Amino acid sequence: QKEVEQDPGPLSVPEGAIVSLNCTYSNSAFQYFMWYRQYSRKGPELLMYTYSSGNKEDGRFTAQVDKSSKYISLFIRDSQPSDSATYLCAMKSGSEKLVFGKGTKLTVNP
Amino acid sequence: DAGVIQSPRHEVTEMGQEVTLRCKPISGHDYLFWYRQTMMRGLELLIYFNNNVPIDDSGMPEDRFSAKMPNASFSTLKIQPSEPRDSAVYFCASSWRQGLSDTQYFGPGTRLTVL
Repeated sequence: QKEVEQDPGPLSVPEGAIVSLNCTYSNSAFQYFMWYRQYSRKGPELLMYTYSSGNKEDGRFTAQVDKSSKYISLFIRDSQPSDSATYLCAMKSGSEKLVFGKGTKLTVNP
Repeated sequence: DAGVIQSPRHEVTEMGQEVTLRCKPISGHDYLFWYRQTMMRGLELLIYFNNNVPIDDSGMPEDRFSAKMPNASFSTLKIQPSEPRDSAVYFCASSWRQGLSDTQYFGPGTRLTVL
């Protein structure tokens, strides 16, 4: 079993839709959870950061962590064409290295 | 700040040739990471440095790969000899500390094609 599993998609939605992106993981020691956004032919950039369980909201983006289920989610409200990108979840324990999911490719159609 | 700088942006070479990828981290950052991204395997950490010292190279696929960081503003990843299976996008990233808040800032990547 891979440490981090993420459905690669692709996911295609109309503009204005609510998008749900998810990752599962197997390492219960993970405490830090991130979502990176990667536009085509660019490097990943940090979008959201969460420590331990709970929710975090930033504008149209909400990150959720459920450690009991080893499941994390990223929700995008009122999705825009500019949100079209690949979204990678990433996680780590303490000061150890980040482990990334393979990424979900999202297209928001105008 | 210009962000993380990588060169070259694209590299096409023939099997057996030596390839050197270069990275300039963000000034003041003390961690530097080298990643490789492919469709099959996603984003994989190859090696990372703290204060120019290699900390974990367990992701380096084999002895053909080597990385150096001679000073705080420069790092190289070398593949010798290169093979077609090394074709991937190689990213360099830097951060200023590990732990609670250690956002990694990625460069634009080097797209390597080995024929």
